[in-house]
Amino acid sequence: GQQVMQIPQYQHVQEGEDFTTYCNSSTTLSNIQWYKQRPGGHPVFLIQLVKSGEVKKQKRLTFQFGEAKKNSSLHITATQTTDVGTYFCAGPKTSYDKVIFGPGTSLSVIP
Amino acid sequence: EADIYQTPRYLVIGTGKKITLECSQTMGHDKMYWYQQDPGMELHLIHYSYGVNSTEKGDLSSESTVSRIRTEHFPLTLESARPSHTSQYLCASSESWGGGTEAFFGQGTRLTVV
Repeated sequence: GQQVMQIPQYQHVQEGEDFTTYCNSSTTLSNIQWYKQRPGGHPVFLIQLVKSGEVKKQKRLTFQFGEAKKNSSLHITATQTTDVGTYFCAGPKTSYDKVIFGPGTSLSVIP
Repeated sequence: EADIYQTPRYLVIGTGKKITLECSQTMGHDKMYWYQQDPGMELHLIHYSYGVNSTEKGDLSSESTVSRIRTEHFPLTLESARPSHTSQYLCASSESWGGGTEAFFGQGTRLTVV
C-alpha cells in the first residue's frame, strides 16, 4: 500500500539556524498538505501543494512539491522558538483516496 | 477558527468500561476521520466516513466502532476499555479530503484506561 516517509525524525537547531524536513511517498500523490502540531496540541493545516514542481512561501516557510509529485520539502529560514513542534506531510494517491500522514518531523529550537 | 469539537478533553476510566468519545462539527463537512496518536508519535487513521451512513475502517486496526447518523456527529465507542487503549484520539473533518481541501482537527481526547 501507499507509504509516506519523512526525514529526519527529530531535529534540534539553534535559534536562527535553518531547518528542512523532507517527505517522500512510495506512490505519486494527487496533492500534498503540510500540518504543524505544537506540543500538547492538535495538527493545524499549513498549506497545500497541487502542481508538479510547485513552490509556495509563507513568511519564513518555503514549501516545494517535487516534479514527480512523489516528494515534498518544508524549509524554515532563521528558526524561532515559536517554530517548535512536529511537522507532518499528508497526501492522497488520487483525489478520491483517503489521505495518508507521514510520521512527522519533530523540531526543537534551542534559544 | 475551526468549528470541530471533541468531548471529553480528558478521560480516566477503569478497565472493562464502555466509553463514547464525542466529535461534532458545524461546518457541514461530509468527510470525517478518527486518528489515534500516542505522545510525540505518528497519526494513525482508525476510522473514516464519507457521509451519513458511511463508515470505513482505517489503516490501524482498532477495537473501537463508529457511527455516522448525522452529518455533524461522528462518535467513537469502545465497548470494553483496556489499558492498551490509552492514547490520544483526534477527530478531523474536511469538505473534500481527497480533493484537497484542508482538514480541521478537534483538540483531541486524552484517554487513560487504568
